[in-house]
This record gives sequence, structure tokens and C-alpha cells, in this order.
Amino acid sequence: KNEVEQSPQNLTAQEGEFITINCSYSVGISALHWLQQHPGGGIVSLFMLSSGKKKHGRLIATINIQEKHSSLHITASHPRDSAVYICAVGSTDKLIFGTGTRLQVFP
Amino acid sequence: KAGVTQTPRYLIKTRGQQVTLSCSPISGHRSVSWYQQTPGQGLQFLFEYFSETQRNKGNFPGRFSGRQFSNSRSEMNVSTLELGDSALYLCASSWTGTRIYEQYFGPGTRLTVT
Repeated sequence: KNEVEQSPQNLTAQEGEFITINCSYSVGISALHWLQQHPGGGIVSLFMLSSGKKKHGRLIATINIQEKHSSLHITASHPRDSAVYICAVGSTDKLIFGTGTRLQVFP
Repeated sequence: KAGVTQTPRYLIKTRGQQVTLSCSPISGHRSVSWYQQTPGQGLQFLFEYFSETQRNKGNFPGRFSGRQFSNSRSEMNVSTLELGDSALYLCASSWTGTRIYEQYFGPGTRLTVT
């Protein structure tokens, strides 16, 4: 079993829909990161969380430390949100990555 | 402030050769981590350098090595290349480490081994 599990693996949505991507982990962590990777490979850090909730524009990330679970929400999705979203946990001085969620948003 | 840069962006090598990849972190960042991304294994941690010292290492063979210079620039080297080393190699920098500080990723070096 992977130490970091993401669901779903693939997600398609119509423009304007509310999207949720989930991440569960089984190791002790210092922080959880949500990353976005566009075709071509570049990775952008969206959020880093150690507790509670963070919001940036249409993106919201939450984490429940007791349940070892985090969610990334996208409100009013747009085709430019199409990308792979990766959950990563900071554990013992390294990052452990989930397998990613491929999101496609259609106009 | 300039972002993380990686050179070269693309590289084609043949089996048995060696390769050196370079990463320049954001100014002021002292930690540089390296990652390998393949379709089969996803993103995997290679190693992290902080103040010229390797602080942590992932589960990769000794053919993979790295170093960090006094200006925080880092290089990674892969010797005796194998076909399975074909991957996107990403580096990321942060103030002091991967656990509690935001990671800033470079654009990656895409290595193809033929």
C-alpha cells in the first residue's frame, strides 16, 4: 500500500463545476503540499498545510491531521485548471508523493 | 526574484554513458532536493543537499550522486546510464528543507537514454 493515496486518478468536469481531489496518508508528517503539474513538466506549489484550511483565489485546501486526510477543492473550474494535481507529504526531511490526479475541464 | 533554473532542459544519452545535471536555486535558498519522475513510478525523492552536505537520500543505487556548491547551486550525476534512467529530473529549492517550507520547483531536465 502506498504511503500517500490520491483519489480519483482521473477527473473530467464541465467548466464551472466544483471539484474535489482527496489525499490520504499513512505516515507521520510535518506538512502536506499540494502541487500542480502542467503538460511539459513544470511543477507549481499551490499550498503547504500543517493544519486547518487555506484559500487562494478559487482554490481551497484542507487537512485533518487526526484522520490523516487532505482535500483540494476548486470552485468554478475553468479549462486552464486542466493539469495533474499531486499531493505530497513532508516526512523525515523528504517529500513522499501521491500518484497524482489528472483533471480535465471542458468548456 | 529569479526562479529555480535547470540545465540542460533536454538531453539524449546512450547506455553506459554518464550525465551531469545542474540546478540553480532561488537566491537565498540553501536547500536543494532532486526528484525523478517516470510514468511508471511517478515522482520519487533522490536526495537533498543543505549547506553543501547531503542531508537525506532516497532509495536509488549508488550510480546516482550529487553535490552542492558554496553558492547553493547543485549538480546531480548519473553514471553508467541504463534505459530505465530515462525520466524527467526535477530539482526544488527551499529556505531550509522539505518538511515545513514551501518547495519551488525548476522546469526539469528530460533525459532520454537510448
